[in-house]
Amino acid sequence: QKEVEQNSGPLSVPEGAIASLNCTYSDRGSQSFFWYRQYSGKSPELIMFIYSNGDKEDGRFTAQLNKASQYVSLLIRDSQPSDSATYLCAFAGGGADGLTFGKGTHLIIQP
Amino acid sequence: EAQVTQNPRYLITVTGKKLTVTCSQNMNHEYMSWYRQDPGLGLRQIYYSMNVEVTDKGDVPEGYKVSRKEKRNFPLILESPSPNQTSLYFCASSQPPSGGGEQFFGPGTRLTVL
Repeated sequence: QKEVEQNSGPLSVPEGAIASLNCTYSDRGSQSFFWYRQYSGKSPELIMFIYSNGDKEDGRFTAQLNKASQYVSLLIRDSQPSDSATYLCAFAGGGADGLTFGKGTHLIIQP
Repeated sequence: EAQVTQNPRYLITVTGKKLTVTCSQNMNHEYMSWYRQDPGLGLRQIYYSMNVEVTDKGDVPEGYKVSRKEKRNFPLILESPSPNQTSLYFCASSQPPSGGGEQFFGPGTRLTVL
């Protein structure tokens, strides 16, 4: 069974610091990886996706993928109070059943 | 504007009264999916569809039905709702038929079954 593990938090980070969110996955056949942000009661929205080992940067966000260790992370630089949300990690395997989501990490940015 | 729409956004109903939650996307996506989200359990897939007339069960399909008669629409049907189906429901769509690309989510439907 495909699984995604995330620390549920809450993870508390001071404003302006780097927030580091981590995710491990069980399916070695996973092809692509996604980070979604979800505000309370709202729908998930895509922050980053990554397909290849290494780092991918987009503005204040950096996704890191290590397929050998089955590990993906999201770094948020210069954290802002508006970054306070739940962050969902997801991956797509080779099958036709879409994405497998983790339960999310609740991030709190302290002003 | 590219979007996934769901209706209704909020619904309170009683046990056993059939209901349908509609989902529509205007991006010509092949793949559509329904999720429910409950505290501590995360997003769980109910049903998905790779194309018109092609649907399959996800992780928690019991008590739900779906249909895909048109590419843009993917309604979720609860024929006899029960209180354990009280949840926040999301519809999503994705261009690749496998659903393995970015999924775009609708705004959600908060359902309460009394």
